Amino acid sequence: DVKVTQSSRYLVKRTGEKVFLECVQDMDHENMFWYRQDPGLGLRLIYFSYDVKMKEKGDIPEGYSVSREKKERFSLILESASTNQTSMYLCASSLIRGLPFFGSGTQLSVL
Amino acid sequence: GQQVMQIPQYQHVQEGEDFTTYCNSSTTLSNIQWYKQRPGGHPVFLIQLVKSGEVKKQKRLTFQFGEAKKNSSLHITATQTTDVGTYFCAGHNNDMRFGAGTRLTVKP
Repeated sequence: DVKVTQSSRYLVKRTGEKVFLECVQDMDHENMFWYRQDPGLGLRLIYFSYDVKMKEKGDIPEGYSVSREKKERFSLILESASTNQTSMYLCASSLIRGLPFFGSGTQLSVL
Repeated sequence: GQQVMQIPQYQHVQEGEDFTTYCNSSTTLSNIQWYKQRPGGHPVFLIQLVKSGEVKKQKRLTFQFGEAKKNSSLHITATQTTDVGTYFCAGHNNDMRFGAGTRLTVKP
Protein backbone atom coordinates (compact mmCIF):
# COMPACT_ATOMS: atom_id res chain seq x y z
CA ASP A 1 0.00 0.00 0.00
CA VAL A 2 1.17 3.45 -0.88
CA LYS A 3 1.60 5.64 2.10
CA VAL A 4 1.74 9.42 2.15
CA THR A 5 2.42 10.66 5.64
CA GLN A 6 1.96 14.20 6.86
CA SER A 7 3.78 14.95 10.06
CA SER A 8 0.92 16.59 11.95
CA ARG A 9 -2.86 16.20 11.87
CA TYR A 10 -3.48 19.43 13.75
CA LEU A 11 -1.19 22.40 14.22
CA VAL A 12 -1.67 25.72 15.99
CA LYS A 13 0.79 28.55 15.36
CA ARG A 14 1.02 32.25 16.05
CA THR A 15 1.14 35.02 13.50
CA GLY A 16 4.69 35.61 12.30
CA GLU A 17 5.98 32.16 13.19
CA LYS A 18 7.87 30.09 10.66
CA VAL A 19 5.95 26.89 9.98
CA PHE A 20 7.15 23.65 8.41
CA LEU A 21 4.70 21.09 7.07
CA GLU A 22 6.34 17.81 6.22
CA CYS A 23 5.20 15.15 3.78
CA VAL A 24 6.84 11.79 3.18
CA GLN A 25 5.88 9.13 0.63
CA ASP A 26 7.21 5.60 0.46
CA MET A 27 6.55 4.63 -3.17
CA ASP A 28 9.40 6.33 -5.00
CA HIS A 29 6.97 8.71 -6.72
CA GLU A 30 8.44 11.42 -8.91
CA ASN A 31 5.65 13.95 -8.40
CA MET A 32 4.65 15.55 -5.14
CA PHE A 33 2.05 18.25 -4.54
CA TRP A 34 0.91 20.62 -1.84
CA TYR A 35 -2.70 21.83 -1.80
CA ARG A 36 -4.75 23.88 0.57
CA GLN A 37 -8.44 23.26 0.96
CA ASP A 38 -10.91 25.94 2.03
CA PRO A 39 -14.72 25.75 2.12
CA GLY A 40 -16.23 26.62 -1.23
CA LEU A 41 -12.85 26.82 -2.94
CA GLY A 42 -11.95 23.17 -3.26
CA LEU A 43 -8.32 22.15 -3.44
CA ARG A 44 -5.95 24.81 -4.70
CA LEU A 45 -2.46 23.93 -5.80
CA ILE A 46 0.29 25.77 -3.94
CA TYR A 47 3.44 24.13 -5.29
CA PHE A 48 4.43 20.90 -6.94
CA SER A 49 7.65 19.11 -7.64
CA TYR A 50 8.43 16.57 -10.34
CA ASP A 51 11.95 15.74 -9.22
CA VAL A 52 14.43 16.26 -6.44
CA LYS A 53 15.37 19.93 -6.07
CA MET A 54 12.80 20.86 -8.71
CA LYS A 55 9.73 22.91 -7.89
CA GLU A 56 6.99 24.66 -9.78
CA LYS A 57 4.55 27.29 -8.57
CA GLY A 58 0.91 26.38 -8.50
CA ASP A 59 -2.03 28.75 -8.39
CA ILE A 60 -1.42 30.31 -4.97
CA PRO A 61 2.31 30.22 -4.12
CA GLU A 62 2.43 33.61 -2.39
CA GLY A 63 3.49 33.34 1.23
CA TYR A 64 4.78 29.79 0.79
CA SER A 65 7.99 28.09 -0.22
CA VAL A 66 8.89 24.42 -0.64
CA SER A 67 11.87 22.16 -0.34
CA ARG A 68 12.57 18.82 -1.95
CA GLU A 69 16.04 17.69 -0.97
CA LYS A 70 15.16 13.99 -1.14
CA LYS A 71 12.75 12.22 -3.45
CA GLU A 72 10.53 10.95 -0.67
CA ARG A 73 10.12 14.21 1.22
CA PHE A 74 8.38 17.43 0.20
CA SER A 75 8.21 20.23 2.73
CA LEU A 76 5.92 23.24 2.70
CA ILE A 77 7.24 26.32 4.49
CA LEU A 78 5.32 29.32 5.70
CA GLU A 79 8.06 31.90 6.26
CA SER A 80 5.88 34.15 8.40
CA ALA A 81 2.50 32.64 9.12
CA SER A 82 -0.57 34.84 8.76
CA THR A 83 -4.17 34.29 9.81
CA ASN A 84 -5.29 33.93 6.18
CA GLN A 85 -3.12 30.83 5.97
CA THR A 86 -5.39 29.02 8.39
CA SER A 87 -6.52 26.07 6.30
CA MET A 88 -6.41 22.35 5.69
CA TYR A 89 -3.19 21.42 3.89
CA LEU A 90 -3.07 18.26 1.80
CA CYS A 91 0.01 16.61 0.37
CA ALA A 92 -0.15 14.18 -2.55
CA SER A 93 2.31 12.13 -4.55
CA SER A 94 2.14 10.31 -7.86
CA LEU A 95 4.15 8.70 -10.59
CA ILE A 96 4.46 10.85 -13.71
CA ARG A 97 0.87 11.14 -15.02
CA GLY A 98 -0.10 8.52 -12.47
CA LEU A 99 -2.81 8.39 -9.88
CA PRO A 100 -2.19 10.66 -6.94
CA PHE A 101 -2.30 9.42 -3.38
CA PHE A 102 -3.19 11.83 -0.62
CA GLY A 103 -2.00 12.22 2.92
CA SER A 104 -4.53 12.64 5.71
CA GLY A 105 -4.09 16.39 5.80
CA THR A 106 -2.86 18.93 8.33
CA GLN A 107 -5.36 21.37 9.79
CA LEU A 108 -3.33 24.51 10.47
CA SER A 109 -4.69 27.29 12.63
CA VAL A 110 -2.79 30.58 12.76
CA LEU A 111 -3.79 32.76 15.68
CA GLY B 1 -2.20 28.09 -16.71
CA GLN B 2 -4.66 25.27 -16.63
CA GLN B 3 -7.94 25.95 -14.82
CA VAL B 4 -10.68 23.52 -13.94
CA MET B 5 -14.16 24.80 -13.27
CA GLN B 6 -16.78 22.68 -11.59
CA ILE B 7 -20.50 23.25 -11.18
CA PRO B 8 -22.72 23.34 -9.25
CA GLN B 9 -21.06 24.26 -5.99
CA TYR B 10 -23.89 22.76 -3.92
CA GLN B 11 -26.65 20.31 -4.69
CA HIS B 12 -29.36 19.15 -2.31
CA VAL B 13 -31.53 16.28 -3.46
CA GLN B 14 -34.24 14.05 -2.13
CA GLU B 15 -33.14 10.46 -1.70
CA GLY B 16 -33.84 8.62 -4.94
CA GLU B 17 -33.32 11.64 -7.19
CA ASP B 18 -30.46 11.82 -9.64
CA PHE B 19 -27.41 14.06 -9.30
CA THR B 20 -24.89 15.39 -11.81
CA THR B 21 -21.74 17.46 -11.44
CA TYR B 22 -19.81 18.93 -14.34
CA CYS B 23 -16.19 19.89 -14.87
CA ASN B 24 -14.68 22.00 -17.60
CA SER B 25 -11.01 22.62 -18.25
CA SER B 26 -9.46 25.59 -20.00
CA THR B 27 -6.95 23.26 -21.67
CA THR B 28 -7.00 19.75 -23.13
CA LEU B 29 -6.28 17.18 -20.45
CA SER B 30 -4.27 13.98 -20.57
CA ASN B 31 -6.70 12.47 -18.10
CA ILE B 32 -9.29 13.44 -15.54
CA GLN B 33 -9.91 11.91 -12.17
CA TRP B 34 -12.85 12.00 -9.81
CA TYR B 35 -12.70 11.97 -6.04
CA LYS B 36 -15.14 11.83 -3.18
CA GLN B 37 -14.47 13.47 0.14
CA ARG B 38 -16.55 12.83 3.20
CA PRO B 39 -16.70 15.51 5.92
CA GLY B 40 -13.49 15.39 7.94
CA GLY B 41 -11.80 13.06 5.48
CA HIS B 42 -9.38 13.41 2.62
CA PRO B 43 -10.21 12.96 -1.06
CA VAL B 44 -10.68 9.34 -2.01
CA PHE B 45 -10.03 8.33 -5.59
CA LEU B 46 -13.06 7.08 -7.53
CA ILE B 47 -12.02 6.74 -11.15
CA GLN B 48 -9.73 7.94 -13.91
CA LEU B 49 -10.78 8.69 -17.49
CA VAL B 50 -8.14 8.79 -20.20
CA LYS B 51 -9.69 8.34 -23.63
CA SER B 52 -11.67 10.87 -25.60
CA GLY B 53 -15.40 10.15 -25.22
CA GLU B 54 -14.80 7.54 -22.55
CA VAL B 55 -17.71 6.44 -20.39
CA LYS B 56 -17.24 4.36 -17.26
CA LYS B 57 -19.76 3.05 -14.76
CA GLN B 58 -19.47 2.07 -11.14
CA LYS B 59 -22.83 0.76 -9.96
CA ARG B 60 -25.03 3.89 -9.80
CA LEU B 61 -22.21 6.25 -10.84
CA THR B 62 -21.57 7.12 -14.49
CA PHE B 63 -18.48 9.06 -15.51
CA GLN B 64 -17.98 10.68 -18.91
CA PHE B 65 -14.99 12.31 -20.57
CA GLY B 66 -15.72 14.70 -23.41
CA GLU B 67 -14.63 14.20 -26.99
CA ALA B 68 -12.25 17.14 -26.77
CA LYS B 69 -10.89 15.92 -23.42
CA LYS B 70 -11.75 19.25 -21.84
CA ASN B 71 -14.90 18.40 -19.93
CA SER B 72 -16.27 15.63 -17.80
CA SER B 73 -19.32 14.72 -15.77
CA LEU B 74 -20.26 12.46 -12.90
CA HIS B 75 -23.87 11.29 -12.72
CA ILE B 76 -25.37 9.43 -9.78
CA THR B 77 -28.63 7.61 -10.38
CA ALA B 78 -31.12 7.30 -7.53
CA THR B 79 -29.04 8.91 -4.81
CA GLN B 80 -28.75 7.37 -1.38
CA THR B 81 -27.78 8.97 1.93
CA THR B 82 -24.42 7.23 1.67
CA ASP B 83 -23.66 9.37 -1.40
CA VAL B 84 -23.35 12.47 0.79
CA GLY B 85 -20.02 14.26 0.43
CA THR B 86 -18.09 16.56 -1.85
CA TYR B 87 -17.19 15.34 -5.31
CA PHE B 88 -14.09 16.73 -6.97
CA CYS B 89 -12.75 16.42 -10.46
CA ALA B 90 -9.02 16.80 -11.07
CA GLY B 91 -7.56 17.53 -14.47
CA HIS B 92 -4.14 16.13 -15.14
CA ASN B 93 -1.43 17.37 -17.48
CA ASN B 94 2.00 18.19 -16.14
CA ASP B 95 0.36 19.05 -12.86
CA MET B 96 -2.99 18.35 -11.30
CA ARG B 97 -5.70 20.96 -10.88
CA PHE B 98 -8.85 20.36 -8.91
CA GLY B 99 -12.27 21.76 -9.47
CA ALA B 100 -13.82 23.58 -6.52
CA GLY B 101 -16.00 20.56 -5.79
CA THR B 102 -19.74 19.94 -5.61
CA ARG B 103 -21.12 19.35 -2.18
CA LEU B 104 -23.98 16.87 -2.27
CA THR B 105 -26.51 16.55 0.52
CA VAL B 106 -29.28 13.97 0.42
CA LYS B 107 -32.55 14.24 2.31
CA PRO B 108 -33.89 10.85 3.45
